[in-house]
Amino acid sequence: ETGVTQSPTHLIKTRGQQVTLRCSSQSGHNTVSWYQQALGQGPQFIFQYYREEENGRGNFPPRFSGLQFPNYSSELNVNALELDDSALYLCASSPPGLAGGDRDTQYFGPGTRLTVL
Amino acid sequence: GEDVEQSLFLSVREGDSSVINCTYTDSSSTYLYWYKQEPGAGLQLLTYIFSNMDMKQDQRLTVLLNKKDKHLSLRIADTQTGDSAIYFCAEVKAAGNKLTFGGGTRVLVKP
Repeated sequence: ETGVTQSPTHLIKTRGQQVTLRCSSQSGHNTVSWYQQALGQGPQFIFQYYREEENGRGNFPPRFSGLQFPNYSSELNVNALELDDSALYLCASSPPGLAGGDRDTQYFGPGTRLTVL
Repeated sequence: GEDVEQSLFLSVREGDSSVINCTYTDSSSTYLYWYKQEPGAGLQLLTYIFSNMDMKQDQRLTVLLNKKDKHLSLRIADTQTGDSAIYFCAEVKAAGNKLTFGGGTRVLVKP
């Protein structure tokens, strides 16, 4: 069984640029969530995708956007990068099924480290 | 204030038990999770507990939940040097939606 994978591993951008991060969900999982983890802090929820639709969003501005594809992989796009966007971006996938327990459990990928200069 | 709080740091000797504590504020939390993060890595799911349970044991890990005090703890028996990492507790309030994390507890295991 393949776990959650993310690409690229590391990325360096300059202020004002745009970036696209990619995530492949664990085999059989149909829900993908994205989190931002600033240095020394816990992850913060950005948004979740289920069946290619956004299913909940955290307190992030509209320049953070996403997509989910029919194969359940996902992209996170960030426009007009700011210095504070420097962080580890984590993708997590969840399995289908009845609500609760395994249905809600999120399995994380290794993350993409984004540095904005 | 923060929804989920954890102490910042814990130092423990190899072979001893570690206890990592977490408090949360929302009584509507349905599931509570413990994740482990090693340097430069993603989050590894350790265990989770449903809010109507008091305790869950999984090999060296024991989770205790005091719903009245909104207090969650993770006990690691026979702590090993490989247990050195940052541990995060997290809650989910609505089925299938966001995880709310604490700030993490850095555990250092000394030989």
